[in-house]
Amino acid sequence: EPEVTQTPSHQVTQMGQEVILRCVPISNHLYFYWYRQILGQKVEFLVSFYNNEISEKSEIFDDQFSVERPDGSNFTLKIRSTKLEDSAMYFCASSSRVMTFGPGTRLTVL
Amino acid sequence: AQSVTQPDIHITVSEGASLELRCNYSYGATPYLFWYVQSPGQGLQLLLKYFSGDTLVQGIKGFEAEFKRSQSSFNLRKPSVHWSDAAEYFCAVGIKAAGNKLTFGGGTRVLVKP
Repeated sequence: EPEVTQTPSHQVTQMGQEVILRCVPISNHLYFYWYRQILGQKVEFLVSFYNNEISEKSEIFDDQFSVERPDGSNFTLKIRSTKLEDSAMYFCASSSRVMTFGPGTRLTVL
Repeated sequence: AQSVTQPDIHITVSEGASLELRCNYSYGATPYLFWYVQSPGQGLQLLLKYFSGDTLVQGIKGFEAEFKRSQSSFNLRKPSVHWSDAAEYFCAVGIKAAGNKLTFGGGTRVLVKP
C-alpha cells in the first residue's frame, strides 16, 4: 500500500535556527499538506499545496514558514527561525480524495 | 467555518466490551467525515470515511460509524474492543470531496482494561 514518508523522524534544534522537514507524498496525489500537533493538543492544519502553489494556509502559517516542492517527489516545510513554541509533531499528508498522513517528524526546539 | 467536537477526552473500556466514541460537527452543509486513529508515537491512520450514500459506514479493524444529519453527529463504534485498540481517536471534517483541509476534533483517548 502506498504511503507518505517523512524525514527525519526526530529533529532537535536550537531556538532561532532554521529547520527543513521533508516529506515524500504518494506519487499520484495532487494535494499536499502540513499539519502540526503540539503535545497533548489537537491536530492543526498549517497549509495546503496544489499545482505548485499554496492553496490555503492557516493563521499559524506566518512568514516564518514556507513550503516547497523542489522536484517531482519531495515536499518540504521550512521554519526560518524556530521558536520554543514550534516544538510539535509535524505531519505531512497527501490526498486525491482521501488524505493519507505520514508518520510525522517530532521537532524539539531548545 | 466548520468545527468538530469530541465530548469525551478519555474513555476506559474493558477488553471485549463495546465502544462508542462521540463526534459532533458544525457546518452549514453536509460535510465529508473521517475517523483517524493515532497509536502512541505514531501517525494518523484512516479508520473510515463518509462522503455520501449509506449513512452507516464500515471501516478497518472492525470499526463502524453512523452519520446522523439531524444530530450533526458521526459516532464511531466497535462491538468488541481488543487491547490493541488502545489509542487516540480523532474525528475530522472536510468540506470538499478533494483537496480537503481537514478540521480535527480534540481527540478521545481510549484505554482498554484487561
